[in-house]
This record gives sequence, structure tokens and C-alpha cells, in this order.
Amino acid sequence: NAGVTQTPKFQVLKTGQSMTLQCAQDMNHEYMSWYRQDPGMGLRLIHYSVGAGITDQGEVPNGYNVSRSTTEDFPLRLLSAAPSQTSVYFCASRGLTGGPNSNQPQHFGDGTRLSIL
Amino acid sequence: KQEVTQIPAALSVPEGENLVLNCSFTDSAIYNLQWFRQDPGKGLTSLLLIQSSQREQTSGRLNASLDKSSGRSTLYIAASQPGDSATYLCAVSNNDMRFGAGTRLTVKP
Repeated sequence: NAGVTQTPKFQVLKTGQSMTLQCAQDMNHEYMSWYRQDPGMGLRLIHYSVGAGITDQGEVPNGYNVSRSTTEDFPLRLLSAAPSQTSVYFCASRGLTGGPNSNQPQHFGDGTRLSIL
Repeated sequence: KQEVTQIPAALSVPEGENLVLNCSFTDSAIYNLQWFRQDPGKGLTSLLLIQSSQREQTSGRLNASLDKSSGRSTLYIAASQPGDSATYLCAVSNNDMRFGAGTRLTVKP
């Protein structure tokens, strides 16, 4: 069981560069989300999706784009990297609230450690 | 806006002690609450999930309670061991999931 797979695990970028963080899940979960984790601040929601073709903003969406063309994949794009985006990024998935998978816990990937110079 | 607070931020105890971690949230309209463990440099591992209609969940030495009306949850760890050392995070869900900042637990041999 692969669960939630994130790539790459580590990345260093220069200010102004763009890149895409990949996330894939094999559990047929409707809900997928991206978080960033910074020291002392817990996890903050960037964007989320309740199904293919549907995305919405979380707490800290500025500077990030997402798309959901399939149930399995939910990539996160940094359009023009800034040092403030240095963080650890986690992708997660779960069944939708009230749906058949809703009593299942949220599953997390192992994270992508991103440094912007 | 839902806000989740965890107290204490850090806790150090000797091996064998029973301990309680606290989590509070401002909006009681939640669907469930989940406790996670995070080891340094690693992702999050789900420990317990409590549905809004439930009062507690148990797994081995762990027991989590939920009082939705007062906006509180506790995670009780019995007979702590050095392997329990980690950061413990609580998160509440409605249509999205909001996290506390975590409690960093150290269990000394």
C-alpha cells in the first residue's frame, strides 16, 4: 500500500524560480490538501480539493497554485519562489466528510523540504 | 475562523509516568478530531480519530477524549516510554482540517 506519495523529498531553489511539488494517492480519496509546516506554527492549510476539477483556498494560498485533473493527483505549483516559502510541505488525503470514507483518518505523505535561496 | 491551541508546548517526564496532553478549539461545529504523532524530520502518523458523536477512543496505552461542547480534547498516555518521545499534534475537521502547534514530548530513561 503506497498511501500518499510526495516528490521530491528535498529541493533547493533560487528566488524567482518556479517548480511543482507532486502528490499522488492510491486510496481513491476524494479530499486532498497541501500544508506547510514552519517552526512553532504547526501546519497551515494552503489549498485543498474535494474532488477532481474542484479546488479551494486554505489559510495561506498566496504564491501557490493547484489543480486536480484526476482523483489520484494533486500537484502544488510555486509560480515565483520567495525565501518566505522555505518550509516543509505536506500533502494529505482522506475520504470526504459524510461520505463512505469519512470515518477514516487523514493520511500524510513524508513531506518535501524546500529551501529558497 | 477555527483556532486550535495545544498546551503545554513542551513536556519532559521520566519514564513510566502517566501524562495528559491538552487540545482546545474555538468552534464546536467539528466533524471529527484527530491526534497525530510526528518524529523529527518525518511526516505525521495518525494515532486516534474521534468522531464528533463519540466521547473517547483508545489504542493500547493511548486514550483520547473529546468534549465538543466545551471545545476540548485530551490525549492520555499511560506508562510513558522513551520511544514515545515525539511531537503530538491535534487537528479538528469540518470541511478542512486545522492543526494545533503541537506538544513536544520528551520521555527520559
